[in-house]
Amino acid sequence: EAQVTQNPRYLITVTGKKLTVTCSQNMNHEYMSWYRQDPGLGLRQIYYSMNVEVTDKGDVPEGYKVSRKEKRNFPLILESPSPNQTSLYFCASRPGTNTEAFFGQGTRLTVV
Amino acid sequence: LAKTTQPISMDSYEGQEVNITCSHNNIATNDYITWYQQFPSQGPRFIIQGYKTKVTNEVASLFIPADRKSSTLSLPRVSLSDTAVYYCLVVDSGGYNKLIFGAGTRLAVHP
Repeated sequence: EAQVTQNPRYLITVTGKKLTVTCSQNMNHEYMSWYRQDPGLGLRQIYYSMNVEVTDKGDVPEGYKVSRKEKRNFPLILESPSPNQTSLYFCASRPGTNTEAFFGQGTRLTVV
Repeated sequence: LAKTTQPISMDSYEGQEVNITCSHNNIATNDYITWYQQFPSQGPRFIIQGYKTKVTNEVASLFIPADRKSSTLSLPRVSLSDTAVYYCLVVDSGGYNKLIFGAGTRLAVHP
């Protein structure tokens, strides 16, 4: 089944403790991206990647890192999480330009 | 990137047809119009995409007038399970076309 898989689905952590949210897609898509969704602010893009080793900042990249060493994986790294990063995170992938995007199930992160 | 404007919320009843209109006055020649659906705590799901005139799939129809400054998503005979947020996006066909989600339209379908 074609899908985008995020892990974990839920995470509660403490301020400053490094964490990684994984994202994997099995569709051989070139484009992958990370979004966060907050009440009243909608979906905002954090980082995106157009291919292996090609990444760029989205609209709200501060406090996040990403890497794209393999085509299928695009992990989101929070080196020192803070409470304002408490949010619902989505990973998405798509084959290329002007195409349907597939979203993961979401990761609900709480930083205390 | 063309900005989109759509109603914040709509109400409907089961079995009715729902039309959600999106305004995108500054749409460019290379832009496509795409609609997504999102249920609470789930990722958005692609519904339909079009460039001009009418597009229909098993879920919805998309009507785009000749000037392309607006589009209408039509959901035939909605059910309670169609209660969701619907997003209209204008996507550039060239380069990396970032998907910019606005506030969307919150559709509530009542029994």
